[in-house]
Amino acid sequence: NAGVTQTPKFRILKIGQSMTLQCTQDMNHNYMYWYRQDPGMGLKLIYYSVGAGITDKGEVPNGYNVSRSTTEDFPLRLELAAPSQTSVYFCASSFEDRNYGYTFGSGTRLTVV
Amino acid sequence: GESVGLHLPTLSVQEGDNSIINCAYSNSASDYFIWYKQESGKGPQFIIDIRSNMDKRQGQRVTVLLNKTVKHLSLQIAATQPGDSAVYFCAENIGAGNQFYFGTGTSLTVIP
Repeated sequence: NAGVTQTPKFRILKIGQSMTLQCTQDMNHNYMYWYRQDPGMGLKLIYYSVGAGITDKGEVPNGYNVSRSTTEDFPLRLELAAPSQTSVYFCASSFEDRNYGYTFGSGTRLTVV
Repeated sequence: GESVGLHLPTLSVQEGDNSIINCAYSNSASDYFIWYKQESGKGPQFIIDIRSNMDKRQGQRVTVLLNKTVKHLSLQIAATQPGDSAVYFCAENIGAGNQFYFGTGTSLTVIP
């Protein structure tokens, strides 16, 4: 089991550029999540999905889009990147049962200049 | 050593000492809590959990204490080791839903 795999690990974007952060999991988890982590702050939920074809907004969805065409994959799309989107992004997954919380990927460090 | 609050405090302890990391959670309806450990450059990892019908739960070298009266959670690490250096987060959950809310974390540094 690879767990939750995120790519790329690092990326520098120019203002106005777009990119997709990839996330895939091999644990057959139905639930998947995208969080951002700013320096000195806790994790903020961007989007989540409870299964293929179903996505919902979290606390901070503006400037982002997601899709969930398969159980395994949950890509996060940034359109028109802004400096405020400079952050570390974590993808996570879980079963429907909340026990043991989430399994997190290792993160993508994004800088928008 | 002991930390208080959720403003990314830092805590430095000598190797072999006990560490206490505190968390003031926000919602009195939260009934399930998890402590995560986040090492530099990695995602958070599950350490230990506790439900609201318990006051204390012990794992290997770690103990979580829950005080529902004052909405306070603490993580105690016994005989702290250099490998314990990391940021520690508490997370709270309400009811059967799967959404967790995370604190800002405490940075623990173990001095050899």
